[in-house]
Amino acid sequence: NAGVTQTPKFQVLKTGQSMTLQCAQDMNHEYMSWYRQDPGMGLRLIHYSVGAGITDQGEVPNGYNVSRSTTEDFPLRLLSAAPSQTSVYFCASSYATGTAGDGYTFGSGTRLTVV
Amino acid sequence: AQSVTQLDSHVSVSEGTPVLLRCNYSSSYSPSLFWYVQHPNKGLQLLLKYTSAATLVKGINGFEAEFKKSETSFHLTKPSAHMSDAAEYFCVVTKNNAGNMLTFGGGTRLMVKP
Repeated sequence: NAGVTQTPKFQVLKTGQSMTLQCAQDMNHEYMSWYRQDPGMGLRLIHYSVGAGITDQGEVPNGYNVSRSTTEDFPLRLLSAAPSQTSVYFCASSYATGTAGDGYTFGSGTRLTVV
Repeated sequence: AQSVTQLDSHVSVSEGTPVLLRCNYSSSYSPSLFWYVQHPNKGLQLLLKYTSAATLVKGINGFEAEFKKSETSFHLTKPSAHMSDAAEYFCVVTKNNAGNMLTFGGGTRLMVKP
């Protein structure tokens, strides 16, 4: 099934631990992005990538790293988890410039709790 | 800067009655606009999109939205609510001219009473 796959679906971390949230898409989308969803705030962009080897910061990048070594994968790394990073994380992908009308395809989310 | 305001955080309707979810936006250029739906514990699904073609846009599941530039609005409507429509709805505007960065509204939770 074509789409965006996120793993894990749920994770509990202790403060200070690090981890990687995985995101993979099989639609040959150039553009991939990570969002976090917090109650009443919609989704906020953390990092994005317009192609392999190219990444950039979004609205709320602090505490997160990304890399894009292949078109398919876009992992999000939490360097030292903090309770403020408790959230639901969504990965999304789309074709690149000029095709915004196609919209985004979202993964099913990773629910992260930092204690 | 682009921004999106969803005017109601919660909307409650009875099954079979019309649905209206309100969205206002601001943008320094001609944006693309979307409505997404999120069912509990699920990802986001595209309902419909406006990309400078027809101002009345029809989406899936009987939803439609009208782009009104003079009012900077993009309200979502449906003539008759169904129980399965209960979900959270997000109005979204493209953040940049390339169209590959999005700004989300805060969301509207739609409740449908039997």
